[in-house]
Amino acid sequence: QVQLQESGPGLVKPSGTLSLTCTVSGGSMRSYYWSWIRQPPGKELEWIAYVYNSGSTNHNPSLKSRVTISEDMSKSHFSLKLTSVTAADTAIYYCARSTVATITAFDIWGQGTMVTVSS
Amino acid sequence: QSALTQPPSASGSPGQSITISCTGTSSDVGGYNFVSWYQQHPNKAPKLIIFEVNLRPSGVPHRFSGSKSGNTASLTVSGLQADDEATYYCSSYAGSNNPFVFGTGTKVTVL
Repeated sequence: QVQLQESGPGLVKPSGTLSLTCTVSGGSMRSYYWSWIRQPPGKELEWIAYVYNSGSTNHNPSLKSRVTISEDMSKSHFSLKLTSVTAADTAIYYCARSTVATITAFDIWGQGTMVTVSS
Repeated sequence: QSALTQPPSASGSPGQSITISCTGTSSDVGGYNFVSWYQQHPNKAPKLIIFEVNLRPSGVPHRFSGSKSGNTASLTVSGLQADDEATYYCSSYAGSNNPFVFGTGTKVTVL
């Protein structure tokens, strides 16, 4: 079955760039929506962005222009870049999948990776 | 876009039923039949248990059911079991500009 695995640095300096990759195994990336979702410690979930078939993206307007999401189907992964990070970006970052038919339902999640923003 | 409002906590004894509310606005919960519910055990990723208001993914017990009235969605867990002790989050579609909004979360305790 399809599995997702996040990877990337666990510590990022303030004003730096957070870069994460989600590797997809056990299935195709084509025709699915791939999202990043984060959860600050003890807080609720926040959707960050999605990418679909490499060409279509959308992101949470609260993150303005700091977010870039991309997809590389040939390598079975998609990535997140978040620039100008602050302590408020400290969170568990999850990657997740949703289908074209049920775009609003994230049916498969990665285990999550903790990212701390600190000097 | 503000988070959807959920009660911070709910509890019940084994075998009982509990209902968790999720209140939004006409721009999210009330405007679309795209409400999902997720169960999150401590230190685990969320798990989808309800989508499109009242549909269950394969493998999710019938004890979990969803409904919606106006700007408020609800999750009912019947026949509470010890493993139901978790935090539950609702989510709704909120339009193309910011498609996904989550709830504040409800921690369920099985007494």
